[in-house]
Amino acid sequence: TQLLEQSPQFLSIQEGENLTVYCNSSSVFSSLQWYRQEPGEGPVLLVTVVTGGEVKKLKRLTFQFGDARKDSSLHITAAQTGDTGLYLCAGASGTYKYIFGTGTRLKVLA
Amino acid sequence: EAGVTQFPSHSVIEKGQTVTLRCDPISGHDNLYWYRRVMGKEIKFLLHFVKESKQDESGMPNNRFLAERTGGTYSTLKVQPAELEDSGVYFCASSQIRVGILSYNEQFFGPGTRLTVL
Repeated sequence: TQLLEQSPQFLSIQEGENLTVYCNSSSVFSSLQWYRQEPGEGPVLLVTVVTGGEVKKLKRLTFQFGDARKDSSLHITAAQTGDTGLYLCAGASGTYKYIFGTGTRLKVLA
Repeated sequence: EAGVTQFPSHSVIEKGQTVTLRCDPISGHDNLYWYRRVMGKEIKFLLHFVKESKQDESGMPNNRFLAERTGGTYSTLKVQPAELEDSGVYFCASSQIRVGILSYNEQFFGPGTRLTVL
């Protein structure tokens, strides 16, 4: 069974601090997505990474796909209160089926 | 462009009753997925449609769950009869495959239906 472990599970930081969230697996994925979910809403796609070693930037968010395509990280620079939410990674098994990670709940304090 | 919509947003039913959840995907998306998150667990895949055909239903928990996508547009997920362990949030997602040197699949999620079985 493929599993995606995210760490940390919970993170509470002050506004302006930097943070990194990790998504790890023993399985190889053809692509990996990061989502952010807020209460009462569905996950919102942030980015898709496809190539091993790929780095994508979305304003203050930097996403990296591991060289072996088994792991990924999300780094947020100078966190803001608006970054608060549940961050999910999801790895594609083939082209269609996604395995979701356990989630990282981030709270950014003013 | 409208996103994925789901109805109802919440449903509270008694054990043994039937509930039908509906998903309207993004217009033009051939792929439609159902996922479920039960309390404290990760989101888990239930099944995948390509147009009106079931491509993969390996995640469906048991035969009390029936998904349909007549005409390849909206989809319904019926639970009959509902059990306590069916409680959770049911998400629908849709996608089109981005074909290129590296094909990949960007899924867009609906807001979910929160099902509570009492």
